[in-house]
Amino acid sequence: DTGVSQDPRHKITKRGQNVTFRCDPISEHNRLYWYRQTLGQGPEFLTYFQNEAQLEKSRLLSDRFSAERPKGSFSTLEIQRTEQGDSAMYLCASSILTGGEADTQYFGPGTRLTVL
Amino acid sequence: AQKITQTQPGMFVQEKEAVTLDCTYDTSDPSYGLFWYKQPSSGEMIFLIYQGSYDQQNATEGRYSLNFQKARKSANLVISASQLGDSAMYFCAMREPYSGAGSYQLTFGKGTKLSVIP
Repeated sequence: DTGVSQDPRHKITKRGQNVTFRCDPISEHNRLYWYRQTLGQGPEFLTYFQNEAQLEKSRLLSDRFSAERPKGSFSTLEIQRTEQGDSAMYLCASSILTGGEADTQYFGPGTRLTVL
Repeated sequence: AQKITQTQPGMFVQEKEAVTLDCTYDTSDPSYGLFWYKQPSSGEMIFLIYQGSYDQQNATEGRYSLNFQKARKSANLVISASQLGDSAMYFCAMREPYSGAGSYQLTFGKGTKLSVIP
């Protein structure tokens, strides 16, 4: 059973450039989440999908951020016109909606973004 | 107001000893879930243990147990027989609401860095 995968693992970009990250969830998981983690902090929620529908977005997700999950499988997170404040670890997590209590989220290894 | 508070920025424990990592939470919802994750230096968040608000017994998973005190709104993680590989950041997280509408997003604390000393 493969876990959540993310690509790339590291991205260095110049301010003003666009970047796109990919997340492949655990295959049968219908829920997918994006979080952002800055140095010394816990992850903060950005957005989530149930199947292909984006059902919630955090106020942290400015207009420069967009996320998609076109066929309810993998997801992409794009940041346009990157700023130095976007430098962070971007974490993807997935879970399966079963009606059970836990709905545990399993995380990928993250994409570390550095904006110069 | 912070929903998850982890008051210990760093902790040290001797190998093979037990250690308790503190977590307090704040919610007005009667239905919620509490999670602990481990984050090694590689960055991946590893799920350790879950406690539901209606669970009558404290959760246990191998060397991990959760000391759940609902009235005090605390959910401390106990690691028994510490190993060198336990050195990592540990995050407490809460999910609310338990059911119905809501994204089941997790709210994390700032974490505790655990260092295991040989």
